[in-house]
Amino acid sequence: DVKVTQSSRYLVKRTGEKVFLECVQDMDHENMFWYRQDPGLGLRLIYFSYDVKMKEKGDIPEGYSVSREKKERFSLILESASTNQTSMYLCASSLIAGGNQNIQYFGAGTRLSVL
Amino acid sequence: QQPVQSPQAVILREGEDAVINCSSSKALYSVHWYRQKHGEAPVFLMILLKGGEQKGHDKISASFNEKKQQSSLYLTASQLSYSGTYFCGTGPGSNYKLTFGKGTLLTVNP
Repeated sequence: DVKVTQSSRYLVKRTGEKVFLECVQDMDHENMFWYRQDPGLGLRLIYFSYDVKMKEKGDIPEGYSVSREKKERFSLILESASTNQTSMYLCASSLIAGGNQNIQYFGAGTRLSVL
Repeated sequence: QQPVQSPQAVILREGEDAVINCSSSKALYSVHWYRQKHGEAPVFLMILLKGGEQKGHDKISASFNEKKQQSSLYLTASQLSYSGTYFCGTGPGSNYKLTFGKGTLLTVNP
């Protein structure tokens, strides 16, 4: 069965802290994504990666960075957390091509509160 | 730019039908539909590729009109288990990135 695992379900951090959100997939997918989900705004793409060490900015990359050193792991980094980064963060992965046409598989999410 | 979903919310009684629309200002290559139940991860429902095809899955089906740059999700004879937020994700081409709409909250009551 397909699995995307996010390391924490809930996280509370202080303003100015460096925060790492981790995501691991076990499907050998090339693509991995980080989204932010806020009420009334839907899913907004922060960053994505289409290969190891490769990354591209999404629609709202400001204040975030990412790291992909291994194919199965994609990390989202908040260099200096701010209160407006309090949100639900969702990780997803997909194959580049093939019969499943880039279906995205999501993790359960990490709810981050920045105080 | 995010695709526009309508309605934003809909409340049904069990057994009623609903239609959720997804419109884009950009040319579309594909439309994905996902459902997210409260507190859970979004789950893939179906994908439609350009060509105006219609797909079905149990009592949930969808159409894709590439000329109008829109897709519609049809839920027939709704069940309590259909409750959740439905998102459409649009893809502009061979790029595997999707842009999601803001979602439609569907509530099915007994």
